Amino acid sequence: AQSVTQLGSHVSVSEGALVLLRCNYSSSVPPYLFWYVQYPNQGLQLLLKYTSAATLVKGINGFEAEFKKSETSFHLTKPSAHMSDAAEYFCAVRPQGAQKLVFGQGTRLTINP
Amino acid sequence: EPEVTQTPSHQVTQMGQEVILRCVPISNHLYFYWYRQILGQKVEFLVSFYNNEISEKSEIFDDQFSVERPDGSNFTLKIRSTKLEDSAMYFCASSEGTAPYEQYFGPGTRLTVT
Repeated sequence: AQSVTQLGSHVSVSEGALVLLRCNYSSSVPPYLFWYVQYPNQGLQLLLKYTSAATLVKGINGFEAEFKKSETSFHLTKPSAHMSDAAEYFCAVRPQGAQKLVFGQGTRLTINP
Repeated sequence: EPEVTQTPSHQVTQMGQEVILRCVPISNHLYFYWYRQILGQKVEFLVSFYNNEISEKSEIFDDQFSVERPDGSNFTLKIRSTKLEDSAMYFCASSEGTAPYEQYFGPGTRLTVT
């Protein structure tokens, strides 16, 4: 079965520093990949998605992610963290032929002033 | 901007009672979903619904669960006889189509079973 692993349940960076949130998926066939963000007391908001068009995907709020088939990874990055980026981030895959999303366990991002 | 809405935001119920969680998907979307997140655990898929029938479901979605689109705007999840382990945040989502269309999520209903 398809699975998603997010390394690090909690990541803390300083304001202005690089944000790197890791996501690895298990699949022999590249699935569709997504990053969602959840702010406190809110629902899941789509940051970006990979659908095989381009390996480097740009999303909202300055985030981007790079699909690397050889590493089965889809890590999320942002060059300079802002206090407003503090939230929980979820990587998800949609297996080929399925409608469901399979989520990773989430990474809580904390931004230090 | 269109959004998915869910009511209530928080539901407290006693074990064995029936609950109905309600969702209003985005109006031109055709696929509807329910997910749940038990505190401290992953977001888990429950069911997808298309053309007035279940199109995919997980092993979690057993006979105590049912979904319905009672009218042109609402999408509901019914839990017939709640158990303590049903306590979770339940998210509704909708999408225009299947992959690669993204799913748009509502804010969730926190269900507490006592």
